[in-house]
Amino acid sequence: NAGVMQNPRHLVRRRGQEARLRCSPMKGHSHVYWYRQLPEEGLKFMVYLQKENIIDESGMPKERFSAEFPKEGPSILRIQQVVRGDSAAYFCASSPPGPNTGELFFGEGSRLTVL
Amino acid sequence: QKEVEQDPGPLSVPEGAIVSLNCTYSNSAFQYFMWYRQYSRKGPELLMYTYSSGNKEDGRFTAQVDKSSKYISLFIRDSQPSDSATYLCAMSALSGTSYGKLTFGQGTILTVHP
Repeated sequence: NAGVMQNPRHLVRRRGQEARLRCSPMKGHSHVYWYRQLPEEGLKFMVYLQKENIIDESGMPKERFSAEFPKEGPSILRIQQVVRGDSAAYFCASSPPGPNTGELFFGEGSRLTVL
Repeated sequence: QKEVEQDPGPLSVPEGAIVSLNCTYSNSAFQYFMWYRQYSRKGPELLMYTYSSGNKEDGRFTAQVDKSSKYISLFIRDSQPSDSATYLCAMSALSGTSYGKLTFGQGTILTVHP
């Protein structure tokens, strides 16, 4: 009964490189969310996806960030041309199909360090 | 002003103490209120979940919501060293299709010492 799986757990990139973070939701879950946790701050909503659809991306920075959840395979959060301010822990969460009132199951996070 | 305010602490208590954690919020549209626990270098895990105002008890944990004051609390009785973690309050406002767009507090760091 695997939980939400994220990889890599740790990622180091130099400024200007690309970062790709992957998330496999819990079995049977069809809703995926990405949150970012900056040092000394709480988690901030970034994007909500269902299979092949972006439902709400109101928390995504306007540039360099994109997310997808293809029909097959994990959800991907992609950060192009990373800057030092992108250093953070990125958490994926999932929830089952149907009405969701906020009970999310989180992965252990991917920690991005930009040098 | 942040939508959700939470004192980051840190809070240090002796084993067996009653712990009180609190959050205030400004968005009256929030309907669902949650407490998550996050151990160091781990993902948040859901502890308590409450809809609208009232109390909810689960073992040593009690969650309270006072919507009139826009104030929520989590009480931990007989605290244990294993309760040492960061506690995050979170809230959601449903609109149209329900979804897990949560607004989190900053988190309170709790240490329970033997």
